[in-house]
Amino acid sequence: QSVLTQPPSASGTPGQRVTISCSGSRSNIGGNNVNWYQQFPGTSPKLLIYSDKYRPSGVSERFSGSKSATSASLVISGLQSEDESDYYCAAWDDNLENVIFGGGTKLTVL
Amino acid sequence: QVTLRESGPALVKPTQTLTLTCTFSGFSLTTFGICVTWIRQPPGRALEWLARIDWDDDKYYSTSLKTRLTISKDTSKNQVVLTMTNMDPADTATYYCARIMHVDPSKFDPWGQGTLVTVSS
Repeated sequence: QSVLTQPPSASGTPGQRVTISCSGSRSNIGGNNVNWYQQFPGTSPKLLIYSDKYRPSGVSERFSGSKSATSASLVISGLQSEDESDYYCAAWDDNLENVIFGGGTKLTVL
Repeated sequence: QVTLRESGPALVKPTQTLTLTCTFSGFSLTTFGICVTWIRQPPGRALEWLARIDWDDDKYYSTSLKTRLTISKDTSKNQVVLTMTNMDPADTATYYCARIMHVDPSKFDPWGQGTLVTVSS
């Protein structure tokens, strides 16, 4: 069982805005950066959002991140079929001294 | 250009020890703040962090697996080695290595392509 909680699935139609949540605690999200990863089937994960809200070079502006207290969110605006993928949140946990991941959210574009 | 590539056996038997090598280029593990980490992903399941080694040779291990893991580096070869003892079918997974910056220990960028390890007799 993952320490960070994500919904197992999310969906939307092209053009819609979709939000994926990531819930944790004070020892992880509450005190450390949250990073988001995108993973297509059969490929390695790719950094999508770092330090809660920043996009690496080359990542579409349609992806944005935010954090409040012990929860973080990934927002995908103007949903496109190519966004259909798995999304994971991750953070360092001060108590465990480990990196912890969310269980992943499978995004389907209807 | 920063790249990482995992290598190791595709098949191991239960109780055996797994040795995986991450060979990287485009950065040095002697540079302040640079780290290399290992993450795995069982088929159809979520990512799981395993271990990390820092430029100054500090090491961190998954709490649940630390008795079975050893991470080491060879800076002259630009390699990081992960060993996992007493392999079990539940350890079947794709194993990834990735570079991280010490400032943010969960910021993995980039990742290697991964190597699938199957544990079966």
